[in-house]
Amino acid sequence: QKEVEQDPGPLSVPEGAIVSLNCTYSNSAFQYFMWYRQYSRKGPELLMYTYSSGNKEDGRFTAQVDKSSKYISLFIRDSQPSDSATYLCAMHGSSASKIIFGSGTRLSIRP
Amino acid sequence: DADVTQTPRNRITKTGKRIMLECSQTKGHDRMYWYRQDPGLGLRLIYYSFDVKDINKGEISDGYSVSRQAQAKFSLSLESAIPNQTALYFCATSENMNTEAFFGQGTRLTVV
Repeated sequence: QKEVEQDPGPLSVPEGAIVSLNCTYSNSAFQYFMWYRQYSRKGPELLMYTYSSGNKEDGRFTAQVDKSSKYISLFIRDSQPSDSATYLCAMHGSSASKIIFGSGTRLSIRP
Repeated sequence: DADVTQTPRNRITKTGKRIMLECSQTKGHDRMYWYRQDPGLGLRLIYYSFDVKDINKGEISDGYSVSRQAQAKFSLSLESAIPNQTALYFCATSENMNTEAFFGQGTRLTVV
């Protein structure tokens, strides 16, 4: 079993829709959770960074962590065609020396 | 100029050849990483370095070697390339574990 599971998609939604992207994980030691966005032919860029459980909002993006269920989500409100990209979740524990990435979900926003 | 620069951006090589991928960063970070990305498998860590004298194997280091020539330079070598090393390779750097990792634009390597 992979430490981090992420549905690869592709996920296609119309412009303006609310998008929900999710990851599950198995390691209860994970405490730091990230979402990276990767455009085609580019390297990943950090979108959201959260610690432990709870919600964090940044503009149209909300990251949610439920440690009891080992489940993290990224919500995108009022989705735009420019949000079309691959979204990777990532996480690590406080004493870890490396970050574990999900396989990424490919998202397409239709105009 | 990009914070993390990888060269070459694309490379096709033959089975059995030695190839080096280079990475340089202008962020001034001590930590540098090499990842490979394959469809459906996400980013997997090959090697990482916390400073010039500290180099560590990642989860898929077999068939690869690295050299940290300076704080800003970290190169990845494939001693004898094989077709299943065909992938997208990324170099990254970070200040520490709890801060953002900055990625290069990637090197698309094809081994034929």
